[in-house]
Amino acid sequence: KAGVTQTPRYLIKTRGQQVTLSCSPISGHRSVSWYQQTPGQGLQFLFEYFSETQRNKGNFPGRFSGRQFSNSRSEMNVSTLELGDSALYLCASSYTASKGETQYFGPGTRLLVL
Amino acid sequence: AQSVTQLDSQVPVFEEAPVELRCNYSSSVSVYLFWYVQYPNQGLQLLLKYLSGSTLVKGINGFEAEFNKSQTSFHLRKPSVHISDTAEYFCAVSSPNSGNTPLVFGKGTRLSVIA
Repeated sequence: KAGVTQTPRYLIKTRGQQVTLSCSPISGHRSVSWYQQTPGQGLQFLFEYFSETQRNKGNFPGRFSGRQFSNSRSEMNVSTLELGDSALYLCASSYTASKGETQYFGPGTRLLVL
Repeated sequence: AQSVTQLDSQVPVFEEAPVELRCNYSSSVSVYLFWYVQYPNQGLQLLLKYLSGSTLVKGINGFEAEFNKSQTSFHLRKPSVHISDTAEYFCAVSSPNSGNTPLVFGKGTRLSVIA
């Protein structure tokens, strides 16, 4: 069974631009969560989607948004990029996102904002 | 609110020596606890998790962890490390009783195994 895939793996953007990242969960998984990883702040939760509905959202500004499609694939968008948005963005999938369930992580998209 | 403290940001250890990576959590409710590992340029991989039952949890790659409710700790141990264990390790907590709150991660411990 294929793992979680994220595209693209690397991105370089300039301040003010916007970016869209994609995540394809493991087949059959309906929940997708997104995390931002930086050296200073560590792993921070962005949002979680289940069956095309956002179930939870972290403490990030409105420039960060996401969506989930009927095939469970998810995208996140960051508008008006800032230097501080440079990070590794990780996507994780699970069947139902129930509390004890294992989340399976993709390799991440590394975003550099210049 | 839940939080996780990983007491050591970096742990160097010689190959074949034992290692313990420390994790303490703060929560007023019951918890689920996880350890994940991240190898360079990769995502996170689950090592083990505690949901209920036996407080000693065995995971992959020879790792184990012990849940200690009175000390609110979930330290990760391995009796003999290999070079291939060099990676970053993250402790995480969630609660079965707090709605849709997500996983909360510690800042990570970088384990460096020295030949």
